[in-house]
Amino acid sequence: GAVVSQHPSRVICKSGTSVKIECRSLDFQATTMFWYRQFPKQSLMLMATSNEGSKATYEQGVEKDKFLINHASLTLSTLTVTSAHPEDSSFYICSAPLRGTSGGLSSYNEQFFGPGTRLTVL
Amino acid sequence: AQSVTQPDIHITVSEGASLELRCNYSYGATPYLFWYVQSPGQGLQLLLKYFSGDTLVQGIKGFEAEFKRSQSSFNLRKPSVHWSDAAEYFCAVGGSGNTPLVFGKGTRLSVIA
Repeated sequence: GAVVSQHPSRVICKSGTSVKIECRSLDFQATTMFWYRQFPKQSLMLMATSNEGSKATYEQGVEKDKFLINHASLTLSTLTVTSAHPEDSSFYICSAPLRGTSGGLSSYNEQFFGPGTRLTVL
Repeated sequence: AQSVTQPDIHITVSEGASLELRCNYSYGATPYLFWYVQSPGQGLQLLLKYFSGDTLVQGIKGFEAEFKRSQSSFNLRKPSVHWSDAAEYFCAVGGSGNTPLVFGKGTRLSVIA
């Protein structure tokens, strides 16, 4: 199956610093990638949609100036948490859709998830 | 609006007993349905998925799920639970095209001896 990687898997930083998280589709191209955030003991919430060659689309309530997304190539999207604060501590997961076919359907997009990045801001 | 409801926040079952985790969805188009499992501190692992065809879907680790369109449900089942199945389970719905998944709040499964 398709593989999505994330780097780093875990990062600890001081309050006020910026942190960059990379999401890579290793064996397929992805014009779109999604970034989710998961707070402890909660579900995954979509933060933004990353589009190759254009601006990201952010969900309501997500600060685009704080969470900078760059989709530089068809296999790489980056999420930069700027001026991080303790409340930004969370588990960040990316996904990339891969088009396939199944049972007569012309196409569908199955999401492949990265392993996640645990961010802790001190 | 698109949504997924997992009515049970926490379920405890005895090892060897059967399991059913409930999932109801609301989706305006043809839904594609998924169940994921997440162990503490880990990422998501796909258990099974439904896109079309047979409404009873077999997944990994002995799990299965049944899609019931009339009830907007996609319940996850396992005939005999193992202690290693203790984890958080998420139901999710998506559509065709480049659309993200919408996740339920999750059900935490505890397994007792």
